[in-house]
Amino acid sequence: DTEVTQTPKHLVMGMTNKKSLKCEQHMGHRAMYWYKQKAKKPPELMFVYSYEKLSINESVPSRFSPECPNSSLLNLHLHALQPEDSALYLCASSQDKGANSPLHFGNGTRLTVT
Amino acid sequence: GENVEQHPSTLSVQEGDSAVIKCTYSDSASNYFPWYKQELGKRPQLIIDIRSNVGEKKDQRIAVTLNKTAKHFSLHITETQPEDSAVYFCAASKDSGGSNYKLTFGKGTLLTVNP
Repeated sequence: DTEVTQTPKHLVMGMTNKKSLKCEQHMGHRAMYWYKQKAKKPPELMFVYSYEKLSINESVPSRFSPECPNSSLLNLHLHALQPEDSALYLCASSQDKGANSPLHFGNGTRLTVT
Repeated sequence: GENVEQHPSTLSVQEGDSAVIKCTYSDSASNYFPWYKQELGKRPQLIIDIRSNVGEKKDQRIAVTLNKTAKHFSLHITETQPEDSAVYFCAASKDSGGSNYKLTFGKGTLLTVNP
């Protein structure tokens, strides 16, 4: 069982669609992350939220829009994506955003853009 | 920024043998080094980590060693089992007062344990 829950598990969307990925954790962690992972590659950091405020944006295109409604929830809104955006999107959380806080990953959403 | 090199990219061993994966890092200020295991189609899971004030850490069949002078750290798995087959990622980060914490991953090692 994972302590970080992501929905949906799979998503297929067209380039003109708008969709959202959702992530939830109930461990009381105050830092939450979005990573993108392509096949046979390591996870790439996209966004970091700390205490519900955006802390890091790794120069991610504006077609990806993160949102942190509260300390337990993290969303990633998707709009006008490209086929090359197809990947596994991983949410993670940690106690805080310092180096003493291991990351706990969710099972991911496998996104296919057609 | 930090750069983490990981070797080998693939490793095949016989069940019961040991496996060693090595990583080097570039930023001497890095002070936290976790290892993640990712089975096919699953999420990365932390299996062991080490901080820069420690030279070695062991957890059952898994151990990690850190050489700060040489800026390299290694994962050692003894008595390998087929269920150890997965991709292993090393990573490095530094605690810069919490303002720009970022985990830099190596490219991964595909470990195959043959029965």
